[in-house]
Amino acid sequence: GESVGLHLPTLSVQEGDNSIINCAYSNSASDYFIWYKQESGKGPQFIIDIRSNMDKRQGQRVTVLLNKTVKHLSLQIAATQPGDSAVYFCAEKNNDMRFGAGTRLTVKP
Amino acid sequence: DTGVSQDPRHKITKRGQNVTFRCDPISEHNRLYWYRQTLGQGPEFLTYFQNEAQLEKSRLLSDRFSAERPKGSFSTLEIQRTEQGDSAMYLCASSFSATNTEAFFGQGTRLTVV
Repeated sequence: GESVGLHLPTLSVQEGDNSIINCAYSNSASDYFIWYKQESGKGPQFIIDIRSNMDKRQGQRVTVLLNKTVKHLSLQIAATQPGDSAVYFCAEKNNDMRFGAGTRLTVKP
Repeated sequence: DTGVSQDPRHKITKRGQNVTFRCDPISEHNRLYWYRQTLGQGPEFLTYFQNEAQLEKSRLLSDRFSAERPKGSFSTLEIQRTEQGDSAMYLCASSFSATNTEAFFGQGTRLTVV
C-alpha cells in the first residue's frame, strides 16, 4: 500500500478496545457533518452523519457526538477490529463540503 | 447503479501533457464535487456542480484546470500542461442537492506526472 505522511495525527489501539477520534470544525453555521473512513488507495467511505439539531447519533459499532458550543465532533468506535485500521476524516457539508485533517487509526492485534 | 464511478483509476503522464478524468455520479444525484488529495492530507475542495451549473470553484483550481458537466450527469476534469505538482489523487463525490444529505465518493483517479 501507499505510505502516508508522518504528520497525520495517529491513534493506536488494541483490538477489542474502544476508539475515539476527534475533529474540530471551523464554520459555526454548519448544520450537517459526515465521518468518512479511507483505506489506502481508495476513496473515502461514508460511515455516519449527524445534523446540528442532534448531539449524538449511533450506528452499528459507531457513535458520533457533536458539541456545537466548541465546534467539535467525535467518532467513537466500539470493540475496534483490525479492519477498522484506516484514516478517518470529518467533513462539514454546506453547499460545498470541507474536510478536516484526518486521523490515522491503527489497530494492534 | 452501484455508486460513483471514476475513470481511469490510474494515469501516468509526461509533464506538459493534457489529461482528462471522468466521473459518473450516482444517478438522481444532482450535486457533483471534485477534490484533490495528496499523501497525508485530507481531500481539498476544487469545485462543485448543481446539475450542469458550476456553482463554486476553489482558488486551487488554476487556469490550467477546467471542469464540466454538460448534461448534468457525468463530469470531466481536465488539466492542461500538467506539472509535477499536479500529481495527486483526484476524487469525485455526488449527493442530492439538500445540504443535509449524504455524499458518496468514487475510488478516485491517481495521477502521476513524470
